[in-house]
Amino acid sequence: EAGVAQSPRYKIIEKRQSVAFWCNPISGHATLYWYQQILGQGPKLLIQFQNNGVVDDSQLPKDRFSAERLKGVDSTLKIQPAKLEDSAVYLCASSLVLGTAQYFGPGTRLTVT
Amino acid sequence: DAKTTQPPSMDCAEGRAANLPCNHSTISGNEYVYWYRQIHSQGPQYIIHGLKNNETNEMASLIITEDRKSSTLILPHATLRDTAVYYCIVRVQSGSARQLTFGSGTQLTVLP
Repeated sequence: EAGVAQSPRYKIIEKRQSVAFWCNPISGHATLYWYQQILGQGPKLLIQFQNNGVVDDSQLPKDRFSAERLKGVDSTLKIQPAKLEDSAVYLCASSLVLGTAQYFGPGTRLTVT
Repeated sequence: DAKTTQPPSMDCAEGRAANLPCNHSTISGNEYVYWYRQIHSQGPQYIIHGLKNNETNEMASLIITEDRKSSTLILPHATLRDTAVYYCIVRVQSGSARQLTFGSGTQLTVLP
């Protein structure tokens, strides 16, 4: 069974630029999550989807971050404009349904200079 | 979700059992104990979860005390590839929108 796919794996941008990350969850998984992991810390949830609907985006900085999962499968996370403090690994995870074990992708390492 | 407390770091000799403790004294009756690990430069990996009975799978065993206030993750024969940060998380299971809240975890180093 294929795991969660993410791209790109690495991205370097200057502050105030825009960036987008892509995630393809495990086939059949209804729930998709985006996490931010700053160096030395545990992952922090940004947003979670159930199919194509948002379940929780309470920790998403909505002035600059946006995410969508239009067809209930793939998802994109966008940052516009980026700040230095956005430098982190962005992890995507999926689970069969809400509340069950989550399976993570390899992450995208973002460096904002 | 209940808060967990884990030691920041532990060492274990290769081939020996690694026992990783977790305290969750404020756990509620419907909260499960989940364990994940994160190997350097990879995403977290699900290991095991349980409610009150001990659980075992191909990766590890989970021992939960009778009062459910603490648990231990056991890797029976640790290898160098088990070196990782191990996260203990408690949360309500299905039907809940509650997020996984990762703490700082335990850095396990398996020594040759």
